[in-house]
Amino acid sequence: DTAVSQTPKYLVTQMGNDKSIKCEQNLGHDTMYWYKQDSKKFLKIMFSYNNKELIINETVPNRFSPKSPDKAHLNLHINSLELGDSAVYFCASSQDRDSEAFFGQGTRLTVV
Amino acid sequence: AQSVTQLGSHVSVSEGALVLLRCNYSSSVPPYLFWYVQYPNQGLQLLLKYTTGATLVKGINGFEAEFKKSETSFHLTKPSAHMSDAAEYFCAVSDGGNQGGKLIFGQGTELSVKP
Repeated sequence: DTAVSQTPKYLVTQMGNDKSIKCEQNLGHDTMYWYKQDSKKFLKIMFSYNNKELIINETVPNRFSPKSPDKAHLNLHINSLELGDSAVYFCASSQDRDSEAFFGQGTRLTVV
Repeated sequence: AQSVTQLGSHVSVSEGALVLLRCNYSSSVPPYLFWYVQYPNQGLQLLLKYTTGATLVKGINGFEAEFKKSETSFHLTKPSAHMSDAAEYFCAVSDGGNQGGKLIFGQGTELSVKP
């Protein structure tokens, strides 16, 4: 069983489209995250949720909207996609805010 | 604010040689420190972590790291490199949950292992 799973693994879409990435964790963790890895492999946090409550929003454009329907899921919806949104997006989870994070396999988003 | 600097974006070693990947951090509070490994087209896997206690921490795959507060360093070592160690390595720092558990990553070090 995959601990943190993301779908889809690859996503190619045109500029201006709206897309969603789904994330599920079966570890029973309370905290979930979205990280963005750019073309230079630099990783930066986007959002963090704890028990379905948003606790970190790192100055991400409001075209990005996370949604946590329950503790095990954290989805990322992106409106009006731009070329600069092309990146690998990683979902992660941790038992609590001071424990190590477990990462999903990533979603490679390509905007053309 | 916290930050991480990894010295050397690319390190190349021969199989069987010592692996040393350097990480320096900046933190105004006692840091939690992590090393993650990323294989091509995969997610990040935790190698080891330091939170409190013993400053020499051992991780998976024969890796270890030592927390040196006076040097603000957390370098990753492995006595003998294996071909399967070739990957991207990331050092990360957090403040133990005070900022929502977010990880601040270094820019990564690509490790190549020559036969």
